[in-house]
Amino acid sequence: ETGVTQTPRHLVMGMTNKKSLKCEQHLGHNAMYWYKQSAKKPLELMFVYNFKEQTENNSVPSRFSPECPNSSHLFLHLHTLQPEDSALYLCASSQGLTGAGDSPLHFGNGTRLTVT
Amino acid sequence: EDQVTQSPEALRLQEGESSSLNCSYTVSGLRGLFWYRQDPGKGPEFLFTLYSAGEEKEKERLKATLTKKESFLHITAPKPEDSATYLCAVLNQAGTALIFGKGTTLSVSS
Repeated sequence: ETGVTQTPRHLVMGMTNKKSLKCEQHLGHNAMYWYKQSAKKPLELMFVYNFKEQTENNSVPSRFSPECPNSSHLFLHLHTLQPEDSALYLCASSQGLTGAGDSPLHFGNGTRLTVT
Repeated sequence: EDQVTQSPEALRLQEGESSSLNCSYTVSGLRGLFWYRQDPGKGPEFLFTLYSAGEEKEKERLKATLTKKESFLHITAPKPEDSATYLCAVLNQAGTALIFGKGTTLSVSS
């Protein structure tokens, strides 16, 4: 496996369910990110981890809970979501935090989440 | 407030018909401007980073340029496989997070 892998690719959940999204990167990067992509909207940064430590929480509701057990794995735990949370959730990694030199983000292919 | 605006929202071209995509930005000190390509059902893929006005970068049929207020992504003699959504993002002096535009969806027909 190479690059950034996200599972599952698609997820349908009810508002009372609890589910988790998983991300794994095989690039040796130290920073990992969760982004939300909704139709007709720019990519929205949710969380940033650098060397397993959370460095940014972009005013995300508590129904989204991130976990980063090591530099290669990132989870997003979901509970009591709302229909407006339906979106594509993208994981990304980079060597160094964005802007630290020429350090572009490498994205996974995302999890398409539908909340019913 | 830092802001990125991309235009047009959608662009349809015939194969071989060259054109440009625009990314206008307002940012408190530019550390870098990034172009990404996103295919349907996939995550964005990095294309270029530009750091200062006057800088240009090329990759196959794509050329990115940067001024103090905007960036252009020029597509020369496009092919159907260039069809995708192109995203622009900027990083300001203080931030650790990219600020993305909404993207331009390019469709190239043969």
